[in-house]
Amino acid sequence: GQQLNQSPQSMFIQEGEDVSMNCTSSSIFNTWLWYKQEPGEGPVLLIALYKAGELTSNGRLTAQFGITRKDSFLNISASIPSDVGIYFCAGQLSGAQKLVFGQGTRLTINP
Amino acid sequence: DGGITQSPKYLFRKEGQNVTLSCEQNLNHDAMYWYRQDPGQGLRLIYYSQIVNDFQKGDIAEGYSVSREKKESFPLTVTSAQKNPTAFYLCASSPRQGNSYEQYFGPGTRLTVT
Repeated sequence: GQQLNQSPQSMFIQEGEDVSMNCTSSSIFNTWLWYKQEPGEGPVLLIALYKAGELTSNGRLTAQFGITRKDSFLNISASIPSDVGIYFCAGQLSGAQKLVFGQGTRLTINP
Repeated sequence: DGGITQSPKYLFRKEGQNVTLSCEQNLNHDAMYWYRQDPGQGLRLIYYSQIVNDFQKGDIAEGYSVSREKKESFPLTVTSAQKNPTAFYLCASSPRQGNSYEQYFGPGTRLTVT
């Protein structure tokens, strides 16, 4: 099936640092979604993007829908311990009834 | 409270037994989905349903079956034909209104088969 390349696979940072991660594909997407999953729980929707170039914030999180519609970016500013978890991107292809998920970015924060 | 309920949180079964995982939503969402997640892996789609009494296979449907008799409910049966059933199973729903493809997830059921 379709693949989303999410990078990096893991990040080890100090508390207070900013974080950047991205998802890329060779296909064009109509929708990009970013989720966070904590251990043993279901993913929680953080941000939804619907237009190329769109930049949306949710607190310290900011996500962008790439101009080419083939990529998306998530930034976390001034990281705190509760930001720890796995972040997934997901995209909806034009005409598709389902989402394609990235493999996830595991974020670890050293206090 | 509106949300998605999956029960139980942990499920243990012996090899060769079928087991049914429950998923209920009171969000009035049309679409529902089942995913499988293995340790350190992403989400893989098992089955999805856009409307009552209709469902489609996802990427890894072999060894699984579903039904959608009610809008609120989308149970997943893991059959004995599934060769490696131990995994974390996630149910999701989506309003599918207009351009919204946002999916909202339940808390998951961890199935262990020995």
